[in-house]
Amino acid sequence: DAKTTQPTSMDCAEGRAANLPCNHSTISGNEYVYWYRQIHSQGPQYIIHGLKNNETNEMASLIITEDRKSSTLILPHATLRDTAVYYCIAVFSGGSNYKLTFGKGTLLTVNP
Amino acid sequence: DAGITQSPRHKVTETGTPVTLRCHQTENHRYMYWYRQDPGHGLRLIHYSYGVKDTDKGEVSDGYSVSRSKTEDFLLTLESATSSQTSVYFCAISSGTSGKQETQYFGPGTRLLVL
Repeated sequence: DAKTTQPTSMDCAEGRAANLPCNHSTISGNEYVYWYRQIHSQGPQYIIHGLKNNETNEMASLIITEDRKSSTLILPHATLRDTAVYYCIAVFSGGSNYKLTFGKGTLLTVNP
Repeated sequence: DAGITQSPRHKVTETGTPVTLRCHQTENHRYMYWYRQDPGHGLRLIHYSYGVKDTDKGEVSDGYSVSRSKTEDFLLTLESATSSQTSVYFCAISSGTSGKQETQYFGPGTRLLVL
């Protein structure tokens, strides 16, 4: 799986959009970009994933650059409960290996 | 939320004693995983299962064994617990649909302290 690079930490004001960047310059054509988050003391939670196109669900939006070398997770209206560590992971799809490799992620702190 | 439970949620044990952690799912998913999480290391895969009685090692499998006799249960055993196995253990599941991208769903975790 391709290596991903994320900032160590970010701050965001409550009610504003949180934009979390991720670099994955060595990603291959059949690797998806997945985002998970982990709120303190809880298990990781799936947020969203994508291959080429931008994706949106009830939690967030995922913007992937045309060259697929980077992506941005957008939480449109951050709340205090969105304070968590956010992980960007490149995952090969289609084979028999579905293991996830978590890096250190980005600690997002949403401030009142 | 996916139907995943872990038991016990907290456990304190002594060095050298056997410990078994249980992961139970109600989703009928094919794949089940055990991870451990330690400060400075993030989540690391211990073992995973791709079906009943089918298991494989992850990156930190030494000192751990697993068993899966039913689709819904995946057991992690520390045969002789050591202090280095003090950690938070997470179970995860995924449907394992061939050829499709996978999403793993995680349980609430088990905090294990080995004295």
